[in-house]
Amino acid sequence: AQRVTQPEKLLSVFKGAPVELKCNYSYSGSPELFWYVQYSRQRLQLLLRHISRESIKGFTADLNKGETSFHLKKPFAQEEDSAMYYCALTGTSGSRLTFGEGTQLTVNP
Amino acid sequence: EAGVVQSPRYKIIEKKQPVAFWCNPISGHNTLYWYRQNLGQGPELLIRYENEEAVDDSQLPKDRFSAERLKGVDSTLKIQPAELGDSAVYLCASSLDPGLEVEQYFGPGTRLTVT
Repeated sequence: AQRVTQPEKLLSVFKGAPVELKCNYSYSGSPELFWYVQYSRQRLQLLLRHISRESIKGFTADLNKGETSFHLKKPFAQEEDSAMYYCALTGTSGSRLTFGEGTQLTVNP
Repeated sequence: EAGVVQSPRYKIIEKKQPVAFWCNPISGHNTLYWYRQNLGQGPELLIRYENEEAVDDSQLPKDRFSAERLKGVDSTLKIQPAELGDSAVYLCASSLDPGLEVEQYFGPGTRLTVT
């Protein structure tokens, strides 16, 4: 069985502060990890994926297989980063995406 | 490009009534997904289609839920009869193919309230 855990439902930081959204997963094989984001009144969209190893909007995420984590980080948060963030996992058995419960990030001015 | 289109956007029904949701995926996307998102939760897959074929419906409550994608394009998800616990946002998504790294594009969702 595959499972994604996002321990923080709410996270609040000030503009310019570093931010880290935590994601832990459980999967017996080799997982592919993703971060999806939903801005206010917009649809859910892909932010970044592990396989691409890229930085999007200043966000990065590193897959740590030893700790089974895929935390999302940004060194200097901006107000426009305020959104709901979902960590998601898929595995070699198919393209079923399993989502975490989400973290609501608020960046205060 | 309109993206994934869903209708209706909102639906309020009484329990035991039927309800149907419609989805039009992005043109050329062969894979279509239906998710249910309960309040405070992440989306959960109900069914995945590759063209007309339902290839993963293990999470679909088949006693009351049904889905179809007759021509491999549009899809309809139906609930009959609806129960109070079916209140949720129903999301449709599509992708070019079912590969592991392929991005899924989501629609705006249909918010269902069962009273």
